[in-house]
Amino acid sequence: QKEVEQDPGPLSVPEGAIVSLNCTYSNSAFQYFMWYRQYSRKGPELLMYTYSSGNKEDGRFTAQVDKSSKYISLFIRDSQPSDSATYLCAMSVFQGGSEKLVFGKGTKLTVNP
Amino acid sequence: DTGVSQNPRHKITKRGQNVTFRCDPISEHNRLYWYRQTLGQGPEFLTYFQNEAQLEKSRLLSDRFSAERPKGSFSTLEIQRTEQGDSAMYLCASSTTGLQYFGPGTRLTVT
Repeated sequence: QKEVEQDPGPLSVPEGAIVSLNCTYSNSAFQYFMWYRQYSRKGPELLMYTYSSGNKEDGRFTAQVDKSSKYISLFIRDSQPSDSATYLCAMSVFQGGSEKLVFGKGTKLTVNP
Repeated sequence: DTGVSQNPRHKITKRGQNVTFRCDPISEHNRLYWYRQTLGQGPEFLTYFQNEAQLEKSRLLSDRFSAERPKGSFSTLEIQRTEQGDSAMYLCASSTTGLQYFGPGTRLTVT
């Protein structure tokens, strides 16, 4: 079992739809939970981050973490064609003075006008 | 632009050649990371620097790979005797707080 599982999709929705993206994880040592957006052939761009269970909202985006279920979600309201990208969940682990991010595979989202 | 920069953006090389990539982090960031991303996968951790000290190397980083950060500023990643399996996007990230900000990546194609 991989440490982070993410359904790769692809996911195709009409403009204006609410999008739900999800990841599950197995490592209880993960401390930060992040969502990155990656356009084709570009580097990942940090969208949202949180370190506690609950919801965090930023404009049309809401990040949700449930540590008891080891489950995180990203919701996109009123989706736009410009939201079409691959969305990567990532979790940080600090061990022995070092740190790294562990990523899901990414979900490819297409928002159709 | 004060983001993370990487050069070159794209490198095509023949199998067996050596290649070197450069990463310039955000100026006040003391932590620097290298990741590798293949098609359809998320980035995978390769190595981590805090200032000039290399504190962790992944098992993915074979003996043919070496990374340096000589003065705690920019970093280089060298791959010796490249193989076709090395074809991937090599990403650099930097941080101060644990939130990692990525550069645009260097896409390596080994023919």
